[in-house]
Amino acid sequence: GAVVSQHPSRVICKSGTSVKIECRSLDFQATTMFWYRQFPKQSLMLMATSNEGSKATYEQGVEKDKFLINHASLTLSTLTVTSAHPEDSSFYICSARGLGVSETGMHEQYFGPGTRLTVT
Amino acid sequence: EDQVTQSPEALRLQEGESSSLNCSYTVSGLRGLFWYRQDPGKGPEFLFTLYSAGEEKEKERLKATLTKKESFLHITAPKPEDSATYLCAVRTPGGKLIFGQGTELSVKP
Repeated sequence: GAVVSQHPSRVICKSGTSVKIECRSLDFQATTMFWYRQFPKQSLMLMATSNEGSKATYEQGVEKDKFLINHASLTLSTLTVTSAHPEDSSFYICSARGLGVSETGMHEQYFGPGTRLTVT
Repeated sequence: EDQVTQSPEALRLQEGESSSLNCSYTVSGLRGLFWYRQDPGKGPEFLFTLYSAGEEKEKERLKATLTKKESFLHITAPKPEDSATYLCAVRTPGGKLIFGQGTELSVKP
């Protein structure tokens, strides 16, 4: 299957600082990338959707000035958490959907390994 | 409103004890139902996509089925390494994945 990587896997930062998380599709070109956050024992909540070269579309309740998303190429998207606070501590997961289609004519969606952010 | 509900929330099985996980959904125009496996501290791992009622897919000890209202993930003779959280998601016409809460499966030797 397709591979999506994230970096870093874990990050600890101080309150008020900014953190950048990278998401790369390693063996396919991702026209669309998604960013999710997941709290312990809870499911994935979509934060935003980004298409290469376009501005990201944010879900209701997600602050676009706080969570900056850049999708500059077909293999790279970044999420920057600006002025992080302890309540931003969470597991952030990116996902990518490729150019190619499966045998059913649909685009599969693959997930990265996640980034554990802890804000102290 | 698009919604996905998984049951049970947690399932404990003995090794070799077959069972099924349920995923009930309501969505205006299904564009695929997805099953993922998630291990602690990891991202979801793609298992299956089902697109139409009556469709079935298998992979090793797992078999996924789909009706117009729900999907089942059948686990036959599970092993301890099958322990994980299994996530179900539906894709909306807008292309978003709506996830259920997941079923935490524990298989004891």
